[in-house]
Amino acid sequence: EAGVVQSPRYKIIEKKQPVAFWCNPISGHNTLYWYLQNLGQGPELLIRYENEEAVDDSQLPKDRFSAERLKGVDSTLKIQPAELGDSAVYLCASSQNGQRQETQYFGPGTRLLVL
Amino acid sequence: TQLLEQSPQFLSIQEGENLTVYCNSSSVFSSLQWYRQEPGEGPVLLVTVVTGGEVKKLKRLTFQFGDARKDSSLHITAAQPGDTGLYLCAGGTGGSNYKLTFGKGTLLTVNP
Repeated sequence: EAGVVQSPRYKIIEKKQPVAFWCNPISGHNTLYWYLQNLGQGPELLIRYENEEAVDDSQLPKDRFSAERLKGVDSTLKIQPAELGDSAVYLCASSQNGQRQETQYFGPGTRLLVL
Repeated sequence: TQLLEQSPQFLSIQEGENLTVYCNSSSVFSSLQWYRQEPGEGPVLLVTVVTGGEVKKLKRLTFQFGDARKDSSLHITAAQPGDTGLYLCAGGTGGSNYKLTFGKGTLLTVNP
């Protein structure tokens, strides 16, 4: 069974440019998460989807970040405009139903470098 | 804000040695998960503990959840180079809006 797929794996952009990351979760998983992982830190939740609905976006900086999961499957995370401090790894994860103690399966991440 | 502190931050040992890493918080969690993350990859779940005092074993790895569900430890016996990686603990809270809070991790290097 295929795991969580993310693309691109690496992205280098100049500050003030837009950037988008794509995630395809494990088939049949209703819950999708986007996490931010800075160097030397653990992942921090940005947004969580239950099917198409964003049920927790309290940590998403909405002035420059946006996300969508239009058909309840794939998801896109966008930054516009990017800032130097956005350089980090953006991880996507999915789980079956978002229930307590449920396993979250992580993708390999997109490594963003903003110059 | 619920914080999880992991120690040590870095650990470099020789193959065959034993080690313990710790995950501490002042907050109570409904569950505690341990992940291992290798370079260029996402975290992979090793174990979930949910009951205070619970001990789980996974081959050479032993996980314990504190009685008060505020802390946890991971003990590795006879470490091998394949154990090298970033070990992250994550505390779970909430009911319908279940959320994981991750620690900063312990970077373990096992030298041959």
